[in-house]
Amino acid sequence: QKEVEQNSGPLSVPEGAIASLNCTYSDRVSQSFFWYRQYSGKSPELIMSIYSNGDKEDGRFTAQLNKASQYVSLLIRDSQPSDSATYLCAVRRRDFGNEKLTFGTGTRLTIIP
Amino acid sequence: SAVISQKPSRDICQRGTSLTIQCQVDSQVTMMFWYRQQPGQSLTLIATANQGSEATYESGFVIDKFPISRPNLTFSTLTVSNMSPEDSSIYLCSVGQAGYTFGSGTRLTVV
Repeated sequence: QKEVEQNSGPLSVPEGAIASLNCTYSDRVSQSFFWYRQYSGKSPELIMSIYSNGDKEDGRFTAQLNKASQYVSLLIRDSQPSDSATYLCAVRRRDFGNEKLTFGTGTRLTIIP
Repeated sequence: SAVISQKPSRDICQRGTSLTIQCQVDSQVTMMFWYRQQPGQSLTLIATANQGSEATYESGFVIDKFPISRPNLTFSTLTVSNMSPEDSSIYLCSVGQAGYTFGSGTRLTVV
């Protein structure tokens, strides 16, 4: 089982609709969860972080975390063509002064005008 | 969030040679991370670099192949040694505070 799993897509969503991206993780001790957006040829850009169960909203983005189910999701409302990118889920674990961020394989999202 | 300057942005190297990648951060940070992103794939952590101590390498990565320096709290280098075509990849440095910021990456092609 991979540490962080995402559906690789591609996921196609009409402009203006809601895009839903999902991620599961295997390490129950993981403490922090991140969503990154990566445009082709660019480095990842942090768009959301979430640390506790529930929803966290930032503009058109909502991150959802369910630690019991080891599940993280990202909702993008009113999807725009500029949202077309690969979305990477990342999970952080910290212990004994060390920390490690583990990435999923990413979901490629295409917004259709 | 921190701003990272990474260079070179890209290079084409002959097999058997070495390339050193530099990352400069605009603020002091305890940990710096080095990742590799192979074509069409996600990010894999190579090692964590703490100032004043040996880097910690992930499984599958060794110091002889990927030596790292961390001379101060704002700078680190990663060397890719004795390169082969399989080392062709994008290499990224990252620093983590509340979230992680990445450098712009180094696209390495080994011929």
